[in-house]
Amino acid sequence: GAGVSQSPRYKVAKRGQDVALRCDPISGHVSLFWYQQALGQGPEFLTYFQNEAQLDKSGLPSDRFFAERPEGSVSTLKIQRTQQEDSAVYLCASSSQGLAGGWVREDTQYFGPGTRLTVL
Amino acid sequence: SQQGEEDPQALSIQEGENATMNCSYKTSINNLQWYRQNSGRGLVHLILIRSNEREKHSGRLRVTLDTSKKSSSLLITASRAADTASYFCATHYGNNRLAFGKGNQVVVIP
Repeated sequence: GAGVSQSPRYKVAKRGQDVALRCDPISGHVSLFWYQQALGQGPEFLTYFQNEAQLDKSGLPSDRFFAERPEGSVSTLKIQRTQQEDSAVYLCASSSQGLAGGWVREDTQYFGPGTRLTVL
Repeated sequence: SQQGEEDPQALSIQEGENATMNCSYKTSINNLQWYRQNSGRGLVHLILIRSNEREKHSGRLRVTLDTSKKSSSLLITASRAADTASYFCATHYGNNRLAFGKGNQVVVIP
């Protein structure tokens, strides 16, 4: 079946521009995650959605970063007034489970190919 | 926060040889996962080992977990050129988010 898809795959922005990155999770997956991966590093958590609810945004580096998932499926990560330090690969992941009975289900996350953002 | 941290290795091996990489983490875990990342297929889940397991196999992969030492190892046997990639360990913390290590770069020479 179809995996997680992301668009665009590559984005070049001039410093100060706003960008929007899209994620299409696996159909029916409850949980959706955004990660940021700097060159030569492992991915770092940005934010987490369960359905349309943003349950954790503690990893967002500044208030220039905003994410939404209004209908509980597609998600958009928006970065306003981009800076050079925002250059990274932005990864989206989804998993089938969410919170259950107050306990977090640790579940396999399936990653998209990422969007490589370069800010000039 | 929990953080998987690989030994900072860049392995270069001949095809057919085995590759071993290690990972350590800081706090108690329920499970630990290994991922592979290359330019062709992005970040792919390889194997998950639970805290009550000591060893797990999947094809040419063997993962061990030592919770007393808070460490894990990934062994790839009979390596192939297609195994060339970066390998990350990751642990869950907080709201199901993953904490990744810095990764090991493995190059398999045909």
